[in-house]
Amino acid sequence: GQQLNQSPQSMFIQEGEDVSMNCTSSSIFNTWLWYKQDPGEGPVLLIALYKAGELTSNGRLTAQFGITRKDSFLNISASIPSDVGIYFCAGQGNAGGTSYGKLTFGQGTILTVHP
Amino acid sequence: EPEVTQTPSHQVTQMGQEVILRCVPISNHLYFYWYRQILGQKVEFLVSFYNNEISEKSEIFDDQFSVERPDGSNFTLKIRSTKLEDSAMYFCAGRQETYGYTFGSGTRLTVV
Repeated sequence: GQQLNQSPQSMFIQEGEDVSMNCTSSSIFNTWLWYKQDPGEGPVLLIALYKAGELTSNGRLTAQFGITRKDSFLNISASIPSDVGIYFCAGQGNAGGTSYGKLTFGQGTILTVHP
Repeated sequence: EPEVTQTPSHQVTQMGQEVILRCVPISNHLYFYWYRQILGQKVEFLVSFYNNEISEKSEIFDDQFSVERPDGSNFTLKIRSTKLEDSAMYFCAGRQETYGYTFGSGTRLTVV
């Protein structure tokens, strides 16, 4: 099946620093999504990317859909303590496939922000 | 903002017992999904449900699993005979025709 490789696995940063994480895939996806998961909660959508090359911002978050449709990155600027959590990339749909919208998730990046 | 509601939040069951996890999706959603997340691991797709039938399932979703939308509102996942390795967080999700997914808060299933 499709696999997403997400890196880094974990990050320990100081408040105010910028963060960058990325996902790569051997398969093409039609949509890339970035989620944040807090302990004991379900994933919450941060940013959705629908077109290759698209660069989208949501407050301090910026994400890009790679031009090859096989990768994406997420940047968080000026991190704050509430940014702590697990960040997942997810790919949706594949060119020519019959996927009914299922998501394939990366392994997650655990973010720790020290005040 | 509309939410996907899952009950119970935590279920403990004996190995071999049947469990039913319940979800109330957002009313205008058309596609429904179950995902699971084993502790410390990534979220994995189990099954998608559209137009009152399974549209796609993963290799995890074997004969022990089934889904139903019996009354047009509730969406359930049944595990017939639970195994220790079924212990995980189970997330229900739904979406409209466009891509917007909404996940529930999950049910933590512990099989002992």
